Amino acid sequence: DAGVIQSPRHEVTEMGQEVTLRCKPISGHNSLFWYRQTMMRGLELLIYFNNNVPIDDSGMPEDRFSAKMPNASFSTLKIQPSEPRDSAVYFCASRTTGSRVGAFFGQGTRLTVV
Amino acid sequence: GQQLNQSPQSMFIQEGEDVSMNCTSSSIFNTWLWYKQEPGEGPVLLIALYKAGELTSNGRLTAQFGITRKDSFLNISASIPSDVGIYFCAGPIQGAQKLVFGQGTRLTINP
Repeated sequence: DAGVIQSPRHEVTEMGQEVTLRCKPISGHNSLFWYRQTMMRGLELLIYFNNNVPIDDSGMPEDRFSAKMPNASFSTLKIQPSEPRDSAVYFCASRTTGSRVGAFFGQGTRLTVV
Repeated sequence: GQQLNQSPQSMFIQEGEDVSMNCTSSSIFNTWLWYKQEPGEGPVLLIALYKAGELTSNGRLTAQFGITRKDSFLNISASIPSDVGIYFCAGPIQGAQKLVFGQGTRLTINP
């Protein structure tokens, strides 16, 4: 079975550019999470969806960040405009809501904003 | 908000030594999860705990769900080089929908 698939694996962009990160959750999972990982702040939950609906976006740092889930098999996290402090590894994870097993993570997208 | 505090933040040990780390919270959790993250990869679930006092093993790893439901412990016996990584505790909140993580314990092993 394919796990959570994220693309791209690495992204280098210039400050001010728009960045779009993509995620395909595990088929059949109806909860999807976006996390950001940095040395200073560890793993931070940015937003999560249940059944394609955003439930809690309180972790989204500012209006420059937006996330969508147009269908059960695809989600995007967009940063516009990007800033150097957005440099981090962004993870997508999915699970079945209410499952006693934790979420399954993708391999992450390493974003560098120069 | 609910926070998970892990200690120690980092560990430097010799191969073959046993490892202990813990995770505490000011709030009660009904599930405790332990993840491991290797360099360049996403976290991978190691052990899940569902009941206060529960002790669960996965090979050389053993985790316990604290009686107070506010803490959990992870032990690794006879460490080997492939145990290197960052170990995270995690737990569901908001009606078990939202998954929050501790800051992680970084394990380094000297051969």
